[in-house]
Amino acid sequence: QSALTQPASVSGSPGQSITISCTGTSSDVGGYNYVSWYQQHPGKAPKLMIYDVSNRPSGVSNRFSGSKSDNTASLTISGLQAEDEADYYCSSYTSSSTYVFGTGTKVTVL
Amino acid sequence: EVQLVESGGGVLRPGGSLRLSCAASGFTFADYGMSWVRQAPGKGLEWVSYIDWSGGSTIYADSVKGRFTISRDNAKNSLYLQMNSLRAEDTAFYYCAKVRWLAQPFDYWGQGTLVTVSS
Repeated sequence: QSALTQPASVSGSPGQSITISCTGTSSDVGGYNYVSWYQQHPGKAPKLMIYDVSNRPSGVSNRFSGSKSDNTASLTISGLQAEDEADYYCSSYTSSSTYVFGTGTKVTVL
Repeated sequence: EVQLVESGGGVLRPGGSLRLSCAASGFTFADYGMSWVRQAPGKGLEWVSYIDWSGGSTIYADSVKGRFTISRDNAKNSLYLQMNSLRAEDTAFYYCAKVRWLAQPFDYWGQGTLVTVSS
């Protein structure tokens, strides 16, 4: 199972919006609405930010939103803040009854 | 408050074995599936294994199938990962993560334990 494809880095100024893409296949992202997104600050454990494509867990800011079109899922962060600077990973359930993560995206707040 | 605390990491030589543990608290452990996810230093996340609430169903990534065994003891609120025939490429931080059932997201993660395989 190959990792889902994400851009290596995305940057934006405070207050701007950025979008991170996550491209897979019909056997993972395109086949299920079981895409989730995780935020990871340096030296910390990942934190769930979005699940089932577009749902936010309790406590996660509504500045984070998710969507999906065909084999590509997206995470949008609006009103970018300094605290959003972190690595972001997408994940999907697969047709092999396994999980696959994305390659990861480093978000930089300029 | 959900807490997951991994232990058992260390340094060992290729071909060696190690057992990781994850102590869970703050939720009804026996009601949830659990997974192990690893991350090589400076690299991305890689899912390793899943076990259902009862321990009766387990799934593994191809990279560890036949070498790693996931298990749990609901009476002790503990998750385990027995790792055999370790390779240099198994060097990583190993995180345990809570997941309601297969296909669901990893909603809580431990802080990880480092396993280093080196000759």
